[in-house]
Amino acid sequence: EPEVTQTPSHQVTQMGQEVILRCVPISNHLYFYWYRQILGQKVEFLVSFYNNEISEKSEIFDDQFSVERPDGSNFTLKIRSTKLEDSAMYFCASRAHGVYEQYFGPGTRLTVT
Amino acid sequence: AQTVTQSQPEMSVQEAETVTLSCTYDTSENNYYLFWYKQPPSRQMILVIRQEAYKQQNATENRFSVNFQKAAKSFSLKISDSQLGDTAMYFCAFMNNNDMRFGAGTRLTVKP
Repeated sequence: EPEVTQTPSHQVTQMGQEVILRCVPISNHLYFYWYRQILGQKVEFLVSFYNNEISEKSEIFDDQFSVERPDGSNFTLKIRSTKLEDSAMYFCASRAHGVYEQYFGPGTRLTVT
Repeated sequence: AQTVTQSQPEMSVQEAETVTLSCTYDTSENNYYLFWYKQPPSRQMILVIRQEAYKQQNATENRFSVNFQKAAKSFSLKISDSQLGDTAMYFCAFMNNNDMRFGAGTRLTVKP
């Protein structure tokens, strides 16, 4: 069964560094998403992406964040200058056109020290 | 902005019993989608069940069913014949216009 994959599973970085989190959505899916979950808290929507552009973004998704689909398979989330409070689990999700359930990847745990 | 409320931070149930998890939401939209996701200790987000707001019939997936009350903006999840593997966090989610909002979650423990 096709699944969303994410790399790395765990990323440790120093405050102020740039990080890129990578996702490979399910191959025939057209809508892509990033979410984050601070430990012990709820899952928070960051951004949705369709047709090579952002379609929705939350108040969390400020200028420090960017997304890109650099090729036909990868979908990335970049954090330009990480802060301690960016430490969280980051989930990528995707869905097919006309279908509304999203399928989540296993997540990348980001630790900012 | 849409909000999703799960008023039960923690619940427990005996194996083989039935449990109902509550969820309410606030929206002015008429067309939207509702979901329940399960998050076991591995932290993987697993879709349990979905409901389209335009459908009056409550969704069912094996032991999982929902009670969708559109006028009351309520979307509860019933788990029948609870199994130890159902132990997890359960998140209710609302989706409209391509963004999805989650509730704070309910931690369910199934006791042997």
